[in-house]
Amino acid sequence: IAGITQAPTSQILAAGRRMTLRCTQDMRHNAMYWYRQDLGLGLRLIHYSNTAGTTGKGEVPDGYSVSRANTDDFPLTLASAVPSQTSVYFCASSDRTSGANVLTFGAGSRLTVL
Amino acid sequence: GQNIDQPTEMTATEGAIVQINCTYQTSGFNGLFWYQQHAGEAPTFLSYNVLDGLEEKGRFSSFLSRSKGYSYLLLKELQMKDSASYLCAVRESNYQLIWGAGTKLIIKP
Repeated sequence: IAGITQAPTSQILAAGRRMTLRCTQDMRHNAMYWYRQDLGLGLRLIHYSNTAGTTGKGEVPDGYSVSRANTDDFPLTLASAVPSQTSVYFCASSDRTSGANVLTFGAGSRLTVL
Repeated sequence: GQNIDQPTEMTATEGAIVQINCTYQTSGFNGLFWYQQHAGEAPTFLSYNVLDGLEEKGRFSSFLSRSKGYSYLLLKELQMKDSASYLCAVRESNYQLIWGAGTKLIIKP
């Protein structure tokens, strides 16, 4: 089934540890995104990539880094996790050549930083 | 500044009609989206409006008025499976998406 796969589904992490959230899509979409979703707030963009080899900062990039070595993969790394990074993280992708540029989301990764 | 407002929670009865409103103030406008998100799941696309007027898709319709910075999502013949959060998002001129906090819709039998 075409779509986006995120891993892990859920993780508890000690503060100060390094963590990488994985995201893979098989739709050959050119653009990919990482969002965080917190209670009472709208989805907030962390980083994005319009095409393989390029990345950009979103609304809340501090403490996070991404890479886009190929079309399919877009990992998100927390270099040194802090409790405020406790959240649900969604990876998404879209075809920017389409008019609507509709986002398709992965199932999410729930991260708890203690 | 950028702002999207939608009610936090709404309750409706199975079989009825409900309208979820969304008002926005953003830096330019390049389309408005509605997504559905069931608890613990990913958001899924429902509708896209870029011109004023009503877009109908089965039991769901979405309306846009750009001059008023206003949209609504209309759900007809409500079913229990429609219990979910509904997210309004506006794409600005720079193609960035600004998201509302979502409206949790509770359907009662």
